[in-house]
Amino acid sequence: KQEVTQIPAALSVPEGENLVLNCSFTDSAIYNLQWFRQDPGKGLTSLLLIQSSQREQTSGRLNASLDKSSGRSTLYIAASQPGDSATYLCAVRILEGGNTPLVFGKGTRLSVIA
Amino acid sequence: KAGVTQTPRYLIKTRGQQVTLSCSPISGHRSVSWYQQTPGQGLQFLFEYFSETQRNKGNFPGRFSGRQFSNSRSEMNVSTLELGDSALYLCASSSLRAPGELFFGEGSRLTVL
Repeated sequence: KQEVTQIPAALSVPEGENLVLNCSFTDSAIYNLQWFRQDPGKGLTSLLLIQSSQREQTSGRLNASLDKSSGRSTLYIAASQPGDSATYLCAVRILEGGNTPLVFGKGTRLSVIA
Repeated sequence: KAGVTQTPRYLIKTRGQQVTLSCSPISGHRSVSWYQQTPGQGLQFLFEYFSETQRNKGNFPGRFSGRQFSNSRSEMNVSTLELGDSALYLCASSSLRAPGELFFGEGSRLTVL
């Protein structure tokens, strides 16, 4: 059974700092991995999607990497801003034709202090 | 392009009642998935529909059911509500061109008293 773990559960950093959020999964046979952002009381916003054949994806100040063999992904946020404060969720889709549900981690709650 | 729309956004019910939640996917998306989010369990998969057929089902009791219409809109129903059903119910849609990427709605916040 695929399990996804995100460490730390909460993180507080000063504005301008570069930071890394971690995600690990137990079964390396994944179809893809997706990072989401969730603001309090809101839905999920897709940030980056990495297919199993890819090693990383970038969007603006965000960079996500994937190492299937070690069961790890990292989300790198450069020059953090107070507007980046949110919960970041990692989710994997297991390798069964892609038509399988996402398995989510519990998330990392990020606070960027001005 | 409109995103995933969920209604109602907030609702309060009492134990034993039933509730129906609605989800309209992004135009052109034919797959709709439902997830339950609680502080303790996080996000858990309920079910997925594609072209009016249930394709996957999570580990939830039979009180949780869903359906999809020919226009891809989906509804989920929870009967005989329990206090533990209080949660944020999230709907997500995906397209055939990018089947592995989900786009979520704002969710329906259900409170059971």
